[in-house]
Amino acid sequence: NAGVTQTPKFQVLKTGQSMTLQCAQDMNHEYMSWYRQDPGMGLRLIHYSVGAGITDQGEVPNGYNVSRSTTEDFPLRLLSAAPSQTSVYFCASRPSPYVGYTFGSGTRLTVV
Amino acid sequence: RKEVEQDPGPFNVPEGATVAFNCTYSNSASQSFFWYRQDCRKEPKLLMSVYSSGNEDGRFTAQLNRASQYISLLIRDSKLSDSATYLCVVNHYNQGGKLIFGQGTELSVKP
Repeated sequence: NAGVTQTPKFQVLKTGQSMTLQCAQDMNHEYMSWYRQDPGMGLRLIHYSVGAGITDQGEVPNGYNVSRSTTEDFPLRLLSAAPSQTSVYFCASRPSPYVGYTFGSGTRLTVV
Repeated sequence: RKEVEQDPGPFNVPEGATVAFNCTYSNSASQSFFWYRQDCRKEPKLLMSVYSSGNEDGRFTAQLNRASQYISLLIRDSKLSDSATYLCVVNHYNQGGKLIFGQGTELSVKP
């Protein structure tokens, strides 16, 4: 199994550009989340999903959209990139709400 | 107040030392708990779940005190390879996918 796969691994955007961070898992997990990690801030929840067609906001959702059309995929869209969105983004999945998440290897995003 | 608080460290210890990490959480509705390990510039990886009765995995022991809303992780006989950041995590079942992470405590084990 590949686990949780994130693409791209690195990305540089100009302010105002939009892009989609891809996340796919092959473990048939219902629960998926996006986190961002900034120095001194820890991991903060952006959006999460409890199954295909169901998403909800986390702690820091502004500037990001998600959708969950399939169990496998949970893309994160940056609508109009800002320097404050420079961060490391992690996608994670788990089979139930009673266990921990498995994380992807992350996307390092720089907005200039 | 942050929902999950940890000592930021860093903890610098010699090989073979015993080191303890502490964590407090503010939401009494928190239902399950984990410790994750994160190496520099890598993704967090699940180290162990934390059960009410306490649990041990080799050199690692996790404890939970629900009354005090306190979680701990003890590492015995520390190795150089234990150097990493340790993240305390709380879980809310009735909030679906919400795992809340502490900021992490950095550990550096020296020869």
